[in-house]
Parts: sequence; C-alpha cells; structure tokens
Amino acid sequence: NAGVTQTPKFQVLKTGQSMTLQCAQDMNHNSMYWYRQDPGMGLRLIYYSASEGTTDKGEVPNGYNVSRLNKREFSLRLESAAPSQTSVYFCASRADRGRGGYTFGSGTRLTVV
Amino acid sequence: KQEVTQIPAALSVPEGENLVLNCSFTDSAIYNLQWFRQDPGKGLTSLLLIQSSQREQTSGRLNASLDKSSGRSTLYIAASQPGDSATYLCAVGDYKLSFGAGTTVTVRA
Repeated sequence: NAGVTQTPKFQVLKTGQSMTLQCAQDMNHNSMYWYRQDPGMGLRLIYYSASEGTTDKGEVPNGYNVSRLNKREFSLRLESAAPSQTSVYFCASRADRGRGGYTFGSGTRLTVV
Repeated sequence: KQEVTQIPAALSVPEGENLVLNCSFTDSAIYNLQWFRQDPGKGLTSLLLIQSSQREQTSGRLNASLDKSSGRSTLYIAASQPGDSATYLCAVGDYKLSFGAGTTVTVRA
C-alpha cells in the first residue's frame, strides 16, 4: 500500500542510549516531517525537510538530529535519550504547495526509562 | 506563532446526533487547514483539506467550513455512528503544520 512507513513501531530505551527512527514514503513527495505527540498536547514539529538535501528545525529540535537520506527516506536520531523524549513520534510527507495535504505514518511509540 | 485551539476537548453524543467540532486559530494568513482523525494507538488519517481560497469541503457525511476572517473552522459530521468515535485533530499551515490538541468524540450506541 502506498503511504508512509515508520520503523520500529515500539521501542524502549535506557537513558543515554541512542537510536534512529526510520521513515520512508513511496508517493514521490518532496517534503517530509517528524512530529512528536504528547498526552493533552497537539503534535509538535521536530524537524522537516522541504526537499532532498535540505533539513530545518521545527518547534522542538533539541536532542534530535535528522538525515534526509534520499527523496524517499527521512530518519530521526536520538543521540542520548532522555525520559523527556518519551513520546509517540510521527513521520509525515507532502507533495508540494497546492498539491494536497499531509500523509502520516502510523507512529513509533518510544519509552525512555 | 500560530496557536490552534479545539473546543471542547471531549464530546459524548448518542448515535444519530449530528456532531459539531470547532477549531480556532490566531493567524488568519493561513494556506491550508486540514482535519484528521486519530483512533486510539493509531496514526492520523486525513479527512478533509481546505485550501485558503475555499470556504468548505465535503466528503460523505463530513463537511468542513473555513472562515479565515474570524479564524475558525467547523467540522460537521451528520448522523453520527459508533464508528465515528475517535479523536479529531485540526491543523493549519503550509510548509509547517500547527495542530490543535484535538476533540475526543464518543458516540453512544
């Protein structure tokens, strides 16, 4: 099925460990995004990539790094996980301005203990 | 900074009743407004996209209106069903989306 695929779906980390969340889309979209969702709050943008080879900070970038590997893939890395990074992470993609809305992946549930 | 508010935070209605969900935003210079549905433990499913030049969009039992001058959008769901129980999220923006916290809807059979 066409769409946005995220891996893994669940992950438990110890404080200080590192990991990379993977995201891939097969819709030939230019823009890709990483959001986090916390209870009682709206989704907040961590980083985005408007096109292959570019990345920009969003609202809450501290503690994260990203890589736009190619047009299809956009990864999010936690170098030294902290309990405050316990959250549900969503990847999304979009074609271009004026060509439709956003498509979201099913999410990665991350717990940092 | 765009602020998006959804009121109420939760809503419970009997089956068959029409649902009215509200979304307000502070910056009227928006490009798009999108309504999403989120089921517990799941990702977001796009319901309707309204571009800034449009005033409403319809899909089946769903109708969303947009009034940029007042900074408001309303999602109407006609003849609600238990399967409509979910959290509904409103988001505005272009290259970056600003989300409301959502309205959790329960439709009682």
